[in-house]
Amino acid sequence: AQKVTQAQTEISVVEKEDVTLDCVYETRDTTYYLFWYKQPPSGELVFLIRRNSFDEQNEISGRYSWNFQKSTSSFNFTITASQVVDSAVYFCALSEDLGQGGKLIFGQGTELSVKP
Amino acid sequence: EAQVTQNPRYLITVTGKKLTVTCSQNMNHEYMSWYRQDPGLGLRQIYYSMNVEVTDKGDVPEGYKVSRKEKRNFPLILESPSPNQTSLYFCASSPWTSGLDYNEQFFGPGTRLTVL
Repeated sequence: AQKVTQAQTEISVVEKEDVTLDCVYETRDTTYYLFWYKQPPSGELVFLIRRNSFDEQNEISGRYSWNFQKSTSSFNFTITASQVVDSAVYFCALSEDLGQGGKLIFGQGTELSVKP
Repeated sequence: EAQVTQNPRYLITVTGKKLTVTCSQNMNHEYMSWYRQDPGLGLRQIYYSMNVEVTDKGDVPEGYKVSRKEKRNFPLILESPSPNQTSLYFCASSPWTSGLDYNEQFFGPGTRLTVL
């Protein structure tokens, strides 16, 4: 059965610290997609990244980077030099429903608080 | 502008009083779905629809109904709301295609429902 686990419920850091949000997933499929979404206090879901199971290349986008390791079924997200505006709930998600509607299986979310 | 809209954005109601949360998309997407978000549980799919007049249960359908009479609209109906349906609800849409290309999910802004 597919499952996404974000073991860190809450993380608190001071501005400019680096922080890594962990995501571990379970799936029996060989083809799947992984995602990260950000939910700021305003409540909307903001798409951050999508990665397919055949692409294990790490990705960097500004202060954000993602480390995908199939060997450990992990898709971790690092924010470098965190800022107060990074304070949000972050969700990792998995989709196996390829070529169809793309149902997402979400992790529990990690609430990140960045203090000035 | 391509978007998914939900109404109302906020709703406080009482147990047993029927309500409908509307969802509309302007992207001609075939697939639409509803998720609910609860603390510690992430987002879970309630119902989905692959096209007009085609709906099916997601992971947590109890207490909800949906209909898909038009392609653009996918209302969520709570015929007798109970306090355990207090949650943040998201509507999402995506195209439905064959093959292995991922179909991006577009999320609405969310509806915060409180049932007293």
